[in-house]
Amino acid sequence: AQTVTQSQPEMSVQEAETVTLSCTYDTSESDYYLFWYKQPPSRQMILVIRQEAYKQQNATENRFSVNFQKAAKSFSLKISDSQLGDAAMYFCAYANTGNQFYFGTGTSLTVIP
Amino acid sequence: DAGITQSPRYKITETGRQVTLMCHQTWSHSYMFWYRQDLGHGLRLIYYSAAADITDKGEVPDGYVVSRSKTENFPLTLESATRSQTSVYFCAAALVERGTTNEQFFGPGTRLTVL
Repeated sequence: AQTVTQSQPEMSVQEAETVTLSCTYDTSESDYYLFWYKQPPSRQMILVIRQEAYKQQNATENRFSVNFQKAAKSFSLKISDSQLGDAAMYFCAYANTGNQFYFGTGTSLTVIP
Repeated sequence: DAGITQSPRYKITETGRQVTLMCHQTWSHSYMFWYRQDLGHGLRLIYYSAAADITDKGEVPDGYVVSRSKTENFPLTLESATRSQTSVYFCAAALVERGTTNEQFFGPGTRLTVL
């Protein structure tokens, strides 16, 4: 089975600063999808960003961007101009073409006012 | 637009009892999933379904049973609950178009406690 590793259980960032969350994955597939999900205290899972492995261009969504390094099997999330509302648990996820999803163990992000 | 609903939101049961967690989507997304979320493990896939009457095991299927007679419903049954099944359970649905894996939409979760 594929594995997804988030090596930072907790991270903190000052409001308005930039923070990068790390994610690595293990797969022998060449075609797959990568996601970052946010889970605030409400427990609702919210999609932050999605990347298709065949696309070399890094995905961006407003203040959120990724650094996708396919050869290194790395998929980090950068949050710019951090806001208090960004405080949450962040999960990295890998999906194969059979639509099986594998999630990392999460990184808890604290935003310091 | 309700999206995905799960019921009950909270459940306390005893070891050995049968428990069914319900999941309903207001769309007609083909794929549906059940996950459990535990500290230190993130989300782990229990079962998933590609369409009505098609289900497959995920990472941790033991002790669980699913069915999908209608596209919009995907119930998860714990046939004989054990304490190790105490967890938060999430149902999700995904629209798959022309073989492309899009995002999963998650329900609000069910917190299950097995005493």
